[in-house]
Amino acid sequence: QLVLTQSPSASASLGASVKLTCTLSSGHSSYAIAWHQQQPEKGPRYLMKLNSDGSHSKGDGIPDRFSGSSSGAERYLTISSLQSEDEADYYCQTWGTGLWVFGGGTKLTVL
Amino acid sequence: EVQLVESGGGLVKPGGSLRLSCAASGFTFSSYSMNWVRQAPGKGLEWVSSISSSSSYIYYADSVKGRFTISRDNAKNSLYLQMNSLRAEDTAVYYCARDSHVDYWGQGTLVTVSS
Repeated sequence: QLVLTQSPSASASLGASVKLTCTLSSGHSSYAIAWHQQQPEKGPRYLMKLNSDGSHSKGDGIPDRFSGSSSGAERYLTISSLQSEDEADYYCQTWGTGLWVFGGGTKLTVL
Repeated sequence: EVQLVESGGGLVKPGGSLRLSCAASGFTFSSYSMNWVRQAPGKGLEWVSSISSSSSYIYYADSVKGRFTISRDNAKNSLYLQMNSLRAEDTAVYYCARDSHVDYWGQGTLVTVSS
């Protein structure tokens, strides 16, 4: 079964870096994922597509502070030089034949 | 500029029906698969349904299978979601989204199912 697992919460200080993790279920480590950001009271926004080899393609206007990487079944989103507007929910998402799956989301607090 | 604009949400009684629409612009609509994704109040994102570019392949989440119908009109650059036999648990903001990796989202339309 295709499942994405995310930690419910994370926090980091203004100006620091944070690395969020999304874990693919067993047998699905080759899958690409996408990262999405949802700021409070707003709709989701596409950040990037992240492949199993770590290559990624970002959405329009996404700052260089956002980057992605992969290791095995883990997919990472790193945000550097944290700003107050980065405080948001972050969702990973993947897809297979006839199935789209979202992770439960990570709520990022910028201290 | 890619734009996805949903409409058709509102308040409906349990067992009722509603049809959502999504107007697309700024890209070649007929070249992309499209999706509906929903978000219940205070909850995470949930995939609802997907349709391929030519409508050849259609998929539904188990939670809506048999009640919802996705369709598209490439001549009108529009995506639709017919929702029947609505339940309280279908209450959510419904988003129209482009492509498998959902690279563009609409602003959403709120569907409230309540008596």
